[in-house]
Amino acid sequence: AQRVTQPEKLLSVFKGAPVELKCNYSYSGSPELFWYVQYSRQRLQLLLRHISRESIKGFTADLNKGETSFHLKKPFAQEEDSAMYYCALSVNAGGTSYGKLTFGQGTILTVHP
Amino acid sequence: GAVVSQHPSRVICKSGTSVKIECRSLDFQATTMFWYRQFPKKSLMLMATSNEGSKATYEQGVEKDKFLINHASLTLSTLTVTSAHPEDSSFYICSATPSGNYEQYFGPGTRLTVT
Repeated sequence: AQRVTQPEKLLSVFKGAPVELKCNYSYSGSPELFWYVQYSRQRLQLLLRHISRESIKGFTADLNKGETSFHLKKPFAQEEDSAMYYCALSVNAGGTSYGKLTFGQGTILTVHP
Repeated sequence: GAVVSQHPSRVICKSGTSVKIECRSLDFQATTMFWYRQFPKKSLMLMATSNEGSKATYEQGVEKDKFLINHASLTLSTLTVTSAHPEDSSFYICSATPSGNYEQYFGPGTRLTVT
C-alpha cells in the first residue's frame, strides 16, 4: 500500500527566508505526486503536480525517485504563504487512473513578518 | 474554474439519527466523486470513491452500511451517516473529478457534530 509522510507538522520561517516542506512517499510503482494547499477558512486546492513541472506562486517541487521524495520549495517566503500544505500521491489502478489520492499528514506553514 | 459545493456546511444531530450531506459539481459533470474525512489537525482520510451509476468503493475499515453513498447523477453525490454516534463527529469533505480529467476539485467541507 502507498504511504505519504510529511515529517513536519509545523514549520515557521520569516518573510523572505527560503522554505522547504518535506514529503516522502512509499509506493512500488510510478506515482503521481501533488501538493495541495489550504488557506485559512478556504477549501483545499491544488498547488502543483509533478508532471507539470511548473512553478506556482513561486513554489516548485521536484520528484526524486531515488529518495522517494517530493519536497516543496520556495526561495523567498511571503506572509500570504501561511497555510496548511498537504503532499498527496495518486496511483494507477490496473491501468486506469481513478485519481484516488493518499494524503500526507499536512504541514502548517507560518511565515512571520 | 471547476466549483464543488457541499450542503449543509455544518450540521448538528442527535445520536441515533441519520444525516445526509450533499456534494454537487456546479459547472462540470463529475464521473467520479470522492468522500474524505478529516480529523482535527490531521490528514484527510479517503472514505470511498463514488462513481455515477454504480456502487461506491469503500476503503478498508469504512463501514458501507453506516456511510451510505449515492451518486445518482453526474453532478450530485450524497453521503448519509446512518445511526450517527458522537465518534462520527468530524469534518467531511468531498471532491469531484471532471469526466476525462483526473484532477480533483474539493468542496468546502461539512462539519458534523453528533450530540
